[in-house]
Amino acid sequence: ETGVTQTPRHLVMGMTNKKSLKCEQHLGHNAMYWYKQSAKKPLELMFVYNFKEQTENNSVPSRFSPECPNSSHLFLHLHTLQPEDSALYLCASSPTSGGLNTGELFFGEGSRLTVL
Amino acid sequence: GENVEQHPSTLSVQEGDSAVIKCTYSDSASNYFPWYKQELGKRPQLIIDIRSNVGEKKDQRIAVTLNKTAKHFSLHITETQPEDSAVYFCAARMGYIPTFGRGTSLIVHP
Repeated sequence: ETGVTQTPRHLVMGMTNKKSLKCEQHLGHNAMYWYKQSAKKPLELMFVYNFKEQTENNSVPSRFSPECPNSSHLFLHLHTLQPEDSALYLCASSPTSGGLNTGELFFGEGSRLTVL
Repeated sequence: GENVEQHPSTLSVQEGDSAVIKCTYSDSASNYFPWYKQELGKRPQLIIDIRSNVGEKKDQRIAVTLNKTAKHFSLHITETQPEDSAVYFCAARMGYIPTFGRGTSLIVHP
């Protein structure tokens, strides 16, 4: 158990559906991340939050909408997705110190998304 | 921004052999270089890291070397075992956000 929990672990949705992925950590970390992992591709950074503020949006399409209500929770809201969005979505958190990120990333187990 | 190249994409070895995975980075300001291991169906986990003020770090069968001048770093696994089979990712980071390599699929044959 890493301390980073993602739900659901598997999700199948149609292109017109709206769903959300949830990530929760109780490690006391202040930075949280969403990554997309597709087959034979590198880990693609999507969003970064530090102290609940979004600090990175890596040119992600607007059909992905992140939400970070507090430092322990991170959501990824999904709507009108495309089949090519099917992938493993990994959440991660890391400690920060003095405003700088100095620690390793702790990943969740991921949410496997299939878009039909 | 930072760009990390990782080679090879696939590495197949016999049990007991050594394995070496190499990464290069572009931003000379990067100062932290972690390596993550991802077993099939599992999450990536940190296995070893090195900071820019150190040239080499070892942890049992795993070692990482860093050449700041050439901007490359490598992961060395000695006496490989079948449980070492996984995808390995290198990363480079300055400040906030790591940039990952594309990953190396290591297969250790018994």
